Amino acid sequence: SSELTQDPAVSVALGQTVRITCQGDSLRTYYASWYQQRPGQAPLLVIYGRNNRPSGIPDRFSGSSSGSTASLTITGAQAEDEADYYCNSRDSSGNIYVFGTGTKVTVL
Amino acid sequence: VQLVESGGGLVQPGRSLRLSCAASGFTFDDFAMHWVRQAPGKGLEWVSRISWNSGSVDYADSVKGRFTISRDNAKNSLYLQMNSLRPEDTALYYCAKDLEGVAGTGGDYYYYYAMDVWGHGTTVSVSS
Repeated sequence: SSELTQDPAVSVALGQTVRITCQGDSLRTYYASWYQQRPGQAPLLVIYGRNNRPSGIPDRFSGSSSGSTASLTITGAQAEDEADYYCNSRDSSGNIYVFGTGTKVTVL
Repeated sequence: VQLVESGGGLVQPGRSLRLSCAASGFTFDDFAMHWVRQAPGKGLEWVSRISWNSGSVDYADSVKGRFTISRDNAKNSLYLQMNSLRPEDTALYYCAKDLEGVAGTGGDYYYYYAMDVWGHGTTVSVSS
């Protein structure tokens, strides 16, 4: 099955911009979705498709994709954005789903 | 819109457990549903998906042949029957609502797949 690889951790200064990447062969076929998970909470969908935000998600979150890499960008990071972020896509076979390894974002 | 999982607990290796997920606030039988798990201190792992009418089911390799996903649309409920449990199945189990469709304009269309509503999870511990 496919794998989705993310950097384990990144840090960003308050108000600055951070990009989180997700790499995997399945991303050449399927767009990634992105999930925020704060400690002790369930995951929250923040980006899906080409660059779609569910209702209530701030516009500082954006998504992009190129080749086998998907990216989630937080422009003007806030303290409440400190969380784990996971990408997800369908497997290359199209039958199963796979989550990325996760990135811990620290806001300094 | 709400999903509430139940049925978790402590179980010995090799035994079985059945998880439930009660859905409310949306038309349950319009959507596929997923189970996703998270081992203590680890990342998210997709477990299984069932289509709106139960006509299509898929499983992660790690649970194929041991777990069975099902749903009862009349009861707005999703289930996960877990047999032959192993210590590595210890995790917080979430149910999630499927979000998929087509978007775009001017002939530039694309498919999207996501999980847009999540429950708070139910904990399964497999230990002797």
